[in-house]
Amino acid sequence: AQKITQTQPGMFVQEKEAVTLDCTYDTSDQSYGLFWYKQPSSGEMIFLIYQGSYDEQNATEGRYSLNFQKARKSANLVISASQLGDSAMYFCAMRGGTSGTYKYIFGTGTRLKVLA
Amino acid sequence: KAGVTQTPRYLIKTRGQQVTLSCSPISGHRSVSWYQQTPGQGLQFLFEYFSETQRNKGNFPGRFSGRQFSNSRSEMNVSTLELGDSALYLCASSRRTTHQETQYFGPGTRLLVL
Repeated sequence: AQKITQTQPGMFVQEKEAVTLDCTYDTSDQSYGLFWYKQPSSGEMIFLIYQGSYDEQNATEGRYSLNFQKARKSANLVISASQLGDSAMYFCAMRGGTSGTYKYIFGTGTRLKVLA
Repeated sequence: KAGVTQTPRYLIKTRGQQVTLSCSPISGHRSVSWYQQTPGQGLQFLFEYFSETQRNKGNFPGRFSGRQFSNSRSEMNVSTLELGDSALYLCASSRRTTHQETQYFGPGTRLLVL
């Protein structure tokens, strides 16, 4: 069975510091994709970053990077130079299965609060 | 480029009624996925449509159905509404290549079933 685990329900970080949000996953699929999303209090889901299971390099998008450790089945999100606007709920997600049987599953989320 | 739009934004229905939600993807995107978000169950995948065909499906009862039109706009229908169907319904428009996949979400439709 596929599973995403986010063990940090809430986190605080000081403005301008870096923060790591943890995500571990479980799947028996050889090919899968990993995502991180941000959901501010407004409710809209914002795509942050994607990592394919066959990609050997960690994905980066601006201040976001995904620390992909395949053997440990972890896909942690690193936010550098935190800003007040980064305060939000963050979800880790995985697309598993094969085309025609894809399933997207989400973790329970981590609520990040950036302190001034 | 316009983002993903969803209508209506808010909806109140009573048990037993049916509801239809609409989603217009980003221009050029052919894949549309639907998700349900509730405080108790979190985010759950409903289904994905690509070129008017349902390509993938989550674990929801048959009361939840959808379709996609030739212009890629998608609708989701829930029949015989139950109290537990109260949720935020999110639609996402996707581009998928060999090495990259991006999902852009709409603002959601908040459904309240009384």
